[in-house]
Amino acid sequence: AIQLTQSPSSLSASVGDRVTITCRASQGISSALAWYQQKPGKAPKLLIYDASSLESGVPSRFSGSGSGTDFTLTISSLQPEDFATYYCQQFNSYAITFGQGTRLEIK
Amino acid sequence: QVQLVQSGAEVKKPGASVKVSCKASGYTFTSYYMHWVRQAPGQGLEWMGIINPSGGSTSYAQKFQGRVTMTRDTSTSTVYMELSSLRSEDTAVYYCAREGARPPGYYYYYYYMDVWGKGTTVTVSS
Repeated sequence: AIQLTQSPSSLSASVGDRVTITCRASQGISSALAWYQQKPGKAPKLLIYDASSLESGVPSRFSGSGSGTDFTLTISSLQPEDFATYYCQQFNSYAITFGQGTRLEIK
Repeated sequence: QVQLVQSGAEVKKPGASVKVSCKASGYTFTSYYMHWVRQAPGQGLEWMGIINPSGGSTSYAQKFQGRVTMTRDTSTSTVYMELSSLRSEDTAVYYCAREGARPPGYYYYYYYMDVWGKGTTVTVSS
């Protein structure tokens, strides 16, 4: 199965900061990558699909880029509601896999 | 609005089975694939498998082959996930998640998950 490695595993940042989370695939997956946000006790929420397409209703401060094996999720200016855990997910193999998650905390 | 409503929490003994339901509304049930994903306490997300509500075909993650069965009832727009031979490691929140509409010319194996249920907590304990 394709492994996804996110970095960092956790991150402390302040409101207004620009934040980048990286997701690396163990083999090429073209643009078959999505990003999700999850808050404690809640279901994941889709942010980005096809590596760089913004899901309807998601604020434009979220953006995604990359293809092949290296991908990034960027939050241009952190808002209080953005503190959560973020997961990448690939869907270009016989088995869907998720990254281990990146916990974004308030500094 | 599009909604996935899951059944309530379950407590099971080791060796038992559990069947979780996920009732869809607000869209054409048979037009979108449905995934099941679970999350153990304090852990990440784990994909279990997918069902096509139209024809009922399924594909399961290798880890769950032989223990999981996904079915659907088109008359009630409901999908089900049954997991057997439960062990303590199966304690988790189980989510159903609708797959996004596959565009023309689509060539990936699967697609992203755009709508999620709220989750069903399954606790396995003696």
